[in-house]
Amino acid sequence: SAVISQKPSRDICQRGTSLTIQCQVDSQVTMMFWYRQQPGQSLTLIATANQGSEATYESGFVIDKFPISRPNLTFSTLTVSNMSPEDSSIYLCSAGQLGSPLHFGNGTRLTVT
Amino acid sequence: AQTVTQSQPEMSVQEAETVTLSCTYDTSESDYYLFWYKQPPSRQMILVIRQEAYKQQNATENRFSVNFQKAAKSFSLKISDSQLGDAAMYFCAYRSRAQGGSEKLVFGKGTKLTVNP
Repeated sequence: SAVISQKPSRDICQRGTSLTIQCQVDSQVTMMFWYRQQPGQSLTLIATANQGSEATYESGFVIDKFPISRPNLTFSTLTVSNMSPEDSSIYLCSAGQLGSPLHFGNGTRLTVT
Repeated sequence: AQTVTQSQPEMSVQEAETVTLSCTYDTSESDYYLFWYKQPPSRQMILVIRQEAYKQQNATENRFSVNFQKAAKSFSLKISDSQLGDAAMYFCAYRSRAQGGSEKLVFGKGTKLTVNP
């Protein structure tokens, strides 16, 4: 199974700033996704990261707020832009091959003050 | 759209005993996957077990087994001989297998499992 490294593991940011989270997979994968997990809640899909094209966003999430890049089959970034305290969450990257289970990175715990 | 429901926000079990976590889902698709993931306080999402909808046989992984009832759209997880390390949040998840369908995971709200020594 793919090993997924995510960084930073945690960060404390000021309101109005942006943070970019990196997700590196140790092998080429067909699928990469970004999830948000608000405190005490389940995981909500932000978007599907598409290699070489624009990400596919879920309802309630927009590119201006959560720009995503996926330049190749092993790497993706998620930026949380113009942050507010409501953005304080755990952000998780998941990846895998078509038809195989998805695995997750360790997540990034973001606190916005 | 698919939905996943976990009706037990919290469960507890005595060490060495057996516990069953419930999950129901709603879908119009006939071909899909179901998963149970475990999330300990370290927040790492760990795959526990996987079930393909076309398989009638229930999946098992060591002390973990599922009861998959396709007609009832039910997918419960049984943990036998519970260990202290089993304490975690458990999430049930659905994933489409339909050609052209998204392979994203849809999660339930989770069940917090406490294991008492």
